[in-house]
Amino acid sequence: AQTVTQSQPEMSVQEAETVTLSCTYDTSENNYYLFWYKQPPSRQMILVIRQEAYKQQNATENRFSVNFQKAAKSFSLKISDSQLGDTAMYFCAFIDNNDMRFGAGTRLTVKP
Amino acid sequence: AAGVIQSPRHLIKEKRETATLKCYPIPRHDTVYWYQQGPGQDPQFLISFYEKMQSDKGSIPDRFSAQQFSDYHSELNMSSLELGDSALYFCASSQNFRGQGYGYTFGSGTRLTVV
Repeated sequence: AQTVTQSQPEMSVQEAETVTLSCTYDTSENNYYLFWYKQPPSRQMILVIRQEAYKQQNATENRFSVNFQKAAKSFSLKISDSQLGDTAMYFCAFIDNNDMRFGAGTRLTVKP
Repeated sequence: AAGVIQSPRHLIKEKRETATLKCYPIPRHDTVYWYQQGPGQDPQFLISFYEKMQSDKGSIPDRFSAQQFSDYHSELNMSSLELGDSALYFCASSQNFRGQGYGYTFGSGTRLTVV
């Protein structure tokens, strides 16, 4: 069974606008960690942002922020002021008592 | 800052041949992970090592084996290669077991093509 679900295979956004990528997960654990990774055409996996489940405050890294809803098991990524360099595959990832598992990814295209 | 180094970057092998992929983790990282990413797919966990011992095992075929050496580098050995083994193979490392709050740092990957 898929532990991490990304329901948006592809998304696009105009440069300078805001876009939100969705992610839901499934676990029976109370302590776990969530991540968003970016994979540009270079194929490098780059950590964008991380969130500890025991922290209620949503993580923020510059233009990237998350909306972590623990009860709903939801972990969405908001990209503000989108830039052309944000064009990439975005993977939601999850660690509980197993090694990191990834969602299927969302391909984001930023249009000029 | 030092990153995770993988070699080679590209590898072309014929069916039934063997391949060895190498991974050098970030200094002081004691855990290494291997992932396989097929075309258009998300990375699939293969195997991990913590302090030179196998820690977790995922969807790694029996034809594949891996180990972590005393200097913490790791090698993924793939035998009897099949066309379906063509993929991008990522190595990642973390400073503690399963990376906990810090996540994993990934290498640039080895692109294996089996012909």
